[in-house]
Amino acid sequence: SQQGEEDPQALSIQEGENATMNCSYKTSINNLQWYRQNSGRGLVHLILIRSNEREKHSGRLRVTLDTSKKSSSLLITASRAADTASYFCATDLNQAGTALIFGKGTTLSVSS
Amino acid sequence: GAGVSQSPSNKVTEKGKDVELRCDPISGHTALYWYRQSLGQGLEFLIYFQGNSAPDKSGLPSDRFSAERTGGSVSTLTIQRTQQEDSAVYLCASSLLGQGASPLHFGNGTRLTVT
Repeated sequence: SQQGEEDPQALSIQEGENATMNCSYKTSINNLQWYRQNSGRGLVHLILIRSNEREKHSGRLRVTLDTSKKSSSLLITASRAADTASYFCATDLNQAGTALIFGKGTTLSVSS
Repeated sequence: GAGVSQSPSNKVTEKGKDVELRCDPISGHTALYWYRQSLGQGLEFLIYFQGNSAPDKSGLPSDRFSAERTGGSVSTLTIQRTQQEDSAVYLCASSLLGQGASPLHFGNGTRLTVT
């Protein structure tokens, strides 16, 4: 399988702490995307990082990409209860080269 | 529209019945995807449409599943003779570019329950 694998599967932290989620993949990629999903809702795109980029920021989010290790990390700084959600990375395309393949996600719980 | 719209939001059906799920993508988006998500799981790819090209149906789990996209816009996913294992949330997404080159915009999904 070429899908990304998120780690850890579940993460519980206190408000104000930082949360780090990791994604590993198996083959070369053109870009990697991170998504968030609140319970019972669709996925929301967070960040797209291209293979020639090493780091990208968006507000309290920081994504890094290490193509030599085939891994990416999503850091959420100064977490809030509203950050409670599942986070998914999407890396490779399926064999037909059309659709993104998603991992099983990391479930983040932020308690106040 | 402002985003991807899916209907119905919830559907309860009896085993053996047919169901139709609808997706209205963002205007101007050429790529449209259907995924399926079972409870606590990741997304399972079902089918992909890009412009006038033949759809990628490689993810459809059986011949009971089919989808069409009329006029390059609205898409309908049909499940015939539903089974209990078809129960899941069906998510539709559209993107400006295909093949993962641009962000996917997801609808809120249709939660299908087969009794």
